[in-house]
Amino acid sequence: GAGVSQSPSNKVTEKGKDVELRCDPISGHTALYWYRQSLGQGLEFLIYFQGNSAPDKSGLPSDRFSAERTGGSVSTLTIQRTQQEDSAVYLCASSLEVGGYGYTFGSGTRLTVV
Amino acid sequence: KQEVTQIPAALSVPEGENLVLNCSFTDSAIYNLQWFRQDPGKGLTSLLLIQSSQREQTSGRLNASLDKSSGRSTLYIAASQPGDSATYLCAAPIYNQGGKLIFGQGTELSVKP
Repeated sequence: GAGVSQSPSNKVTEKGKDVELRCDPISGHTALYWYRQSLGQGLEFLIYFQGNSAPDKSGLPSDRFSAERTGGSVSTLTIQRTQQEDSAVYLCASSLEVGGYGYTFGSGTRLTVV
Repeated sequence: KQEVTQIPAALSVPEGENLVLNCSFTDSAIYNLQWFRQDPGKGLTSLLLIQSSQREQTSGRLNASLDKSSGRSTLYIAASQPGDSATYLCAAPIYNQGGKLIFGQGTELSVKP
């Protein structure tokens, strides 16, 4: 597609429920990143995928968070047993390759856990 | 560990002023440096990308410079307009961290008509 697409744009969920956030990167981009931005906070790296390499999961805050990328394209970030502190905007970005090509961000998913 | 710092944290100026936003980073082994704009409740919009071999990039009223040796980048906005009001973020992906972007905390800019 022309840009990075994220869905849903907004999600309200009850504490303890599982949620799935979707990211559709720019076609042909091999690198895909997930970030989290809590209210009034900076951007926090969560996980990235590069081609067929094992993902870098070093930023995932707990084992309730997981992500996968199917067929080198669409990625899904799953949060199990959501907590109120998970409320944030989740942003996805993609790049042609790791490093030198700049990053394009999606509009994000605003997650609210009530 | 890469650390990115942006100064000032907030800036309020009257319309028409020229202004400079500062970004510093601790690890110079970067692929490039990218400036983004974020409007309230929105995602990030890329403004300028400076490759590590370049010194500056220009787009319209925006000019960004990069000095790797001193670990600094500046974003210059000429003739500011109320529509420039937003948070400006710089980020630099570094070689030994898989290219993941390390962000500063941002500068919140308000341009008053």
